[in-house]
Amino acid sequence: DAKTTQPTSMDCAEGRAANLPCNHSTISGNEYVYWYRQIHSQGPQYIIHGLKNNETNEMASLIITEDRKSSTLILPHATLRDTAVYYCIVRVANSGAGSYQLTFGKGTKLSVIP
Amino acid sequence: GAGVSQSPSNKVTEKGKDVELRCDPISGHTALYWYRQRLGQGLEFLIYFQGNSAPDKSGLPSDRFSAERTGESVSTLTIQRTQQEDSAVYLCASSLRTGDGNTIYFGEGSWLTVV
Repeated sequence: DAKTTQPTSMDCAEGRAANLPCNHSTISGNEYVYWYRQIHSQGPQYIIHGLKNNETNEMASLIITEDRKSSTLILPHATLRDTAVYYCIVRVANSGAGSYQLTFGKGTKLSVIP
Repeated sequence: GAGVSQSPSNKVTEKGKDVELRCDPISGHTALYWYRQRLGQGLEFLIYFQGNSAPDKSGLPSDRFSAERTGESVSTLTIQRTQQEDSAVYLCASSLRTGDGNTIYFGEGSWLTVV
C-alpha cells in the first residue's frame, strides 16, 4: 500500500493561499490521490481527488507532480473556517476483498490565523 | 436525504450494555464503510459492505463488534458488552460503488461514551 507523508502542522494567514504538501513516493499507477479534511468534532469532508492531471473545484486545487510522487493541495484564499486537519490519502484496494477503503494517516493540522 | 445520516448522534451507555448505531447511506450508494475515531486519534477502518455483503471485516477489533446491512441501504453497527475503550465517534461513509475514482462521503458520526 502506498503511504503518504505530510507535515504535522502548518499556519497560514487569513486571505492568503494555503499550500499543503504530501509525499506519496510509492504510489502505483492506478491509485488516486484524495484529500479530505476534518474540522473539529465533524465527519471528514471530501475536498478533491486526482490521478495524473491537476484538478480544480470550488474548494481547492490539486497539483500532482509529473512523476506522481508528490502533490500539493491549494486553498486559494484561506479563511478561519478552513482551520482543520487535512488528510492526503492514496486510495488502495484490499487485495482480498476489493474494498478500496481509505486509509487515514495523521494529516496536517492547518491553522488559519487572523 | 442528501448526505450520509447517522443515529444517534450521541449515546451514553453503561459498561456492559449493548449498543446499536445506525447508518443511512446516500441513496443509491452500494458501498458502505464504518470507521472508528477515538478522541485525538486517527480514523480506524472497521468494516466494508458491498450491497448487503461484508467482504472486508478486517478492522473489527473483537467479536463484540458486528455489523449488518439490509436492503442494500441501512446498516447497523452493534457493540456487545461495551467497554470504556469503545468510547469513540463511529463514522459511516458510503460511495456509489467501489473502485478508484469513486468518492467516499462521510456522515457526522455517532459519539459513543461508555461510563
